[in-house]
Amino acid sequence: RKEVEQDPGPFNVPEGATVAFNCTYSNSASQSFFWYRQDCRKEPKLLMSVYSSGNEDGRFTAQLNRASQYISLLIRDSKLSDSATYLCVVTVKAAGNKLTFGGGTRVLVKP
Amino acid sequence: DTEVTQTPKHLVMGMTNKKSLKCEQHMGHRAMYWYKQKAKKPPELMFVYSYEKLSINESVPSRFSPECPNSSLLNLHLHALQPEDSALYLCASSPPSAPYEQYFGPGTRLTVT
Repeated sequence: RKEVEQDPGPFNVPEGATVAFNCTYSNSASQSFFWYRQDCRKEPKLLMSVYSSGNEDGRFTAQLNRASQYISLLIRDSKLSDSATYLCVVTVKAAGNKLTFGGGTRVLVKP
Repeated sequence: DTEVTQTPKHLVMGMTNKKSLKCEQHMGHRAMYWYKQKAKKPPELMFVYSYEKLSINESVPSRFSPECPNSSLLNLHLHALQPEDSALYLCASSPPSAPYEQYFGPGTRLTVT
């Protein structure tokens, strides 16, 4: 079983619609959680951290469910520029500064 | 200055060549990283330098040799690579206060012929 799993998609989303997707992690000692975004042929960029209480950044909302070991990302009012691969990232304190990436979820927003 | 720069952008090398990839940041970050990324896959960690000392080597073959000359620079020396080493090589850095918030450079796209 992979440490961090994501639905690869693609999620085809009409412009203006809402899309949500999850990421599951297997290590119960996982400590910190993040969503990174990677555009085609570009580098990954930090989108947002995920806190236990859930957090929102504009149109993006991230949630953490420790009991079921998953995190989620919801994008409201999707824009064409939201088309990207969204990488779920999990860390374990014992692993130092190592990020463990999920395989990514591809989102395509269409007019 | 909030960016990580990498040179070259593209590199084609033969299996007998020796080349180096360079990475630079001037954000005062004290941790720097090398990742390898194949198409449609997530980045795979190769090396971590923390305060200019190698802290993590993810069992990378010795044909890849990292070097951290100072806190702003990170090199990856390449020698006798194989065609399967062709990939995007990403450098990243992170601040001491937030080691998991990593800033990635644009990468070097390496082709081994």
